[in-house]
Amino acid sequence: EAEVAQSPRYKITEKSQAVAFWCDPISGHATLYWYRQILGQGPELLVQFQDESVVDDSQLPKDRFSAERLKGVDSTLKIQPAELGDSAMYLCASRADRGTEAFFGQGTRLTVV
Amino acid sequence: AQSVTQLGSHVSVSEGALVLLRCNYSSSVPPYLFWYVQYPNQGLQLLLKYTSAATLVKGINGFEAEFKKSETSFHLTKPSAHMSDAAEYFCAVSDRSDSWGKLQFGAGTQVVVTP
Repeated sequence: EAEVAQSPRYKITEKSQAVAFWCDPISGHATLYWYRQILGQGPELLVQFQDESVVDDSQLPKDRFSAERLKGVDSTLKIQPAELGDSAMYLCASRADRGTEAFFGQGTRLTVV
Repeated sequence: AQSVTQLGSHVSVSEGALVLLRCNYSSSVPPYLFWYVQYPNQGLQLLLKYTSAATLVKGINGFEAEFKKSETSFHLTKPSAHMSDAAEYFCAVSDRSDSWGKLQFGAGTQVVVTP
């Protein structure tokens, strides 16, 4: 069964350091999402891609976060510099063009110390 | 703009008892509605979805949900709880007129199942 792949699963970094997460969506899925889930809360959308284009990054803290999907397939989310408040689960999801639901990866649990 | 409200951040249910998780949505256009389940340190798994066909939707693991437009609700139920149902459950809404399929999630309901 096709899955959304994310790496790493867990990441511990010191504040002010740079950190990056990688996501490989289900093959053929044009829409890719990055969500942030703070412990005890629901996921919140950070950025949404349609192919290689950003269609919504209104909630992305652009002073420190960046996201790219250069060839419209896999994607990288970067934080530089990391802050203590960035500790959260970062979830990647993808959706087919004619699909309705999003399929989620296992997530990357980030701890900033 | 769309939003969902999940009533009750924590629900405790006895094994074998009814599970009822409440979700109310707000949407200016007909929505798509979803229930996802999340186990500790895992991603989200789709339980079921409403996309305008039948208002009573059956999902995996014995769960079902009923879309009630008049009440703007999409409550999730399971007749008999199992220990493996202990997890966090999220209701989500998507605007069907939004070709990008942006998902808006509720805050989640943590389900504890007691023997």
